[in-house]
Amino acid sequence: SAVISQKPSRDICQRGTSLTIQCQVDSQVTMMFWYRQQPGQSLTLIATANQGSEATYESGFVIDKFPISRPNLTFSTLTVSNMSPEDSSIYLCSVVLATNEKLFFGSGTQLSVL
Amino acid sequence: QKEVEQNSGPLSVPEGAIASLNCTYSDRVSQSFFWYRQYSGKSPELIMSIYSNGDKEDGRFTAQLNKASQYVSLLIRDSQPSDSATYLCAVSPYGGATNKLIFGTGTLLAVQP
Repeated sequence: SAVISQKPSRDICQRGTSLTIQCQVDSQVTMMFWYRQQPGQSLTLIATANQGSEATYESGFVIDKFPISRPNLTFSTLTVSNMSPEDSSIYLCSVVLATNEKLFFGSGTQLSVL
Repeated sequence: QKEVEQNSGPLSVPEGAIASLNCTYSDRVSQSFFWYRQYSGKSPELIMSIYSNGDKEDGRFTAQLNKASQYVSLLIRDSQPSDSATYLCAVSPYGGATNKLIFGTGTLLAVQP
């Protein structure tokens, strides 16, 4: 496996503000993704983070709301913009390792929006 | 119709018993199948992957795949209270996980001491 460092681990934010979540991996990765897990629900893919280019967003997610950067192979950020209480969720960075093509998750960011 | 379906549970088994977790999927071209375990308040961790029909064993865990019937299952032998968690089934149309995985909603397993 790999060490996938995600921060912050949790935050409480005010409506209308933005939060940037960072993800750093210590191994070679082929793919990086951002998932959301809303209370009591399963994992929903937000987007694929592409190195040096715009992320690929899934249906229902847009760049203005969830801007993503991936300046190099092992680092990515997800910003949750103009937050509302509906954005309260766990946000998870995930990576596919080059060594085994399996998906691993970071420790997650628990976001609460008041 | 959900793409990946799991019974939400809770599935309650006594300590030492076999826990059987099931998952069905709708996309016939699916190639790769994964089981993740998620403890409350933690992120999912990969426990098994399976790509071919039949059984794959790893310690107390056995994954079973039947592509014709479009189901995949996870057996946990000699269940322990520490196995109590939500088990997520994930499916990919491609080999490996290099493209997006579709996750089920998970089955909550409770192992009673």
